[in-house]
Amino acid sequence: EVQLVESGGAVIQPGGSLRLSCAASGFTFRNYMMHWVRQVPGKGLEWVSLITWDGSTTHYADSVRGRFTISRDNNKNSLYLQMNGLRPEDTAFYYCAKDMGNYRGSDYWGQGTLVTVSS
Amino acid sequence: NFLLTQPHSVSASPGETVTISCSGSSGSFVSNYVQWYQQRPGSAPTTIIWANNHRPSGVPDRFSGSIDSSSNSASLTISGLRTEDEADYYCQSYDNSDPWVFGGGTKLTVL
Repeated sequence: EVQLVESGGAVIQPGGSLRLSCAASGFTFRNYMMHWVRQVPGKGLEWVSLITWDGSTTHYADSVRGRFTISRDNNKNSLYLQMNGLRPEDTAFYYCAKDMGNYRGSDYWGQGTLVTVSS
Repeated sequence: NFLLTQPHSVSASPGETVTISCSGSSGSFVSNYVQWYQQRPGSAPTTIIWANNHRPSGVPDRFSGSIDSSSNSASLTISGLRTEDEADYYCQSYDNSDPWVFGGGTKLTVL
């Protein structure tokens, strides 16, 4: 059974840093591109970042570029999102999602972790 | 920026059929695959349609996806509505600037 379990969400002050983790199991993690997607409570989904299977290529939404860094450890079956310079507008649920490949979107999502940026 | 537009909300009664549209703002977005995700209240999204019209195992065939190239739009159709279908539904496709683009979501109410 495929499982994606996010952790690391917290209440953090503006300007602070946070590292989210996503533990993957039930599939060959090293073979798949992975994404982070966020959702402001009560609002829609926003793509945040992706990383290729080997970590060699990353992409970011304009809203987080230069502040967030996506990474992965294929030996630990884990995906990460380092978030620096946090702003109140970064408050959201953060989901990790497994890419199906060949531009077919995601087939599995984690349950999400909540990041609240507030003083 | 490329946008996907969905109706804000739709409603129907149990047993009825409902269709949710997803229109691209420019170009021929339907030349890329379109996915649909269901998000029940308080839960994470789940995939119900991938690559335009494929259902993951476990998703009932009451859910179907289609593409209309002439109108540059995609649709999700749910037949035989059940109360448990009440959820938010998001379309998703691709763009040169952002790898994943989501529609704004459609809230389905089953009356």
